[in-house]
Amino acid sequence: ETGVTQSPTHLIKTRGQQVTLRCSSQSGHNTVSWYQQALGQGPQFIFQYYREEENGRGNFPPRFSGLQFPNYSSELNVNALELDDSALYLCASSQDGDGWPQHFGDGTRLSIL
Amino acid sequence: EDQVTQSPEALRLQEGESSSLNCSYTVSGLRGLFWYRQDPGKGPEFLFTLYSAGEEKEKERLKATLTKKESFLHITAPKPEDSATYLCAFVYGQNFVFGPGTRLSVLP
Repeated sequence: ETGVTQSPTHLIKTRGQQVTLRCSSQSGHNTVSWYQQALGQGPQFIFQYYREEENGRGNFPPRFSGLQFPNYSSELNVNALELDDSALYLCASSQDGDGWPQHFGDGTRLSIL
Repeated sequence: EDQVTQSPEALRLQEGESSSLNCSYTVSGLRGLFWYRQDPGKGPEFLFTLYSAGEEKEKERLKATLTKKESFLHITAPKPEDSATYLCAFVYGQNFVFGPGTRLSVLP
């Protein structure tokens, strides 16, 4: 059984740039959720995709957007990067839209200079 | 407002010294309470799901319990490899709401 994989593992960008993060879900899972985790804090929910449709969204601005593909892999796009966007971005997959338990990848560490 | 808090923020134990971590929640209609372990630079690793008050789950040196207002993660005779941040979360709509975590250090 293949787990959740994310790429890249680390990324450095400057303010105002755009970034795309990628996630391959665990085999058999059709639901992907994205989280932002600042240093020393718990993960904060960004949004969830179920069968290629957005299925819920947290308190993040529209410059955070996403996609889910027919193979259930997913992308997180962030436009107009700000310094506060520096964080660990986690992807989690699960079955059937109910979303639990969720299984996490090891994240992408994004640093904004 | 639905929320979850965890205490203590950090805990340092000697190897073999048992203790408990607390997760308190205020949420109407709990649909599930989850415990995860997170090592530095890694994603959270699923440990337990609890659905109703009185439920208990065990795995090796860990035991999770649930009441109507809180959950405890009991660690019996911990080892240095149990050092990690332990996160609890509950289901709210389509997402998890995570607590801030407890950083556990077990000294040899």
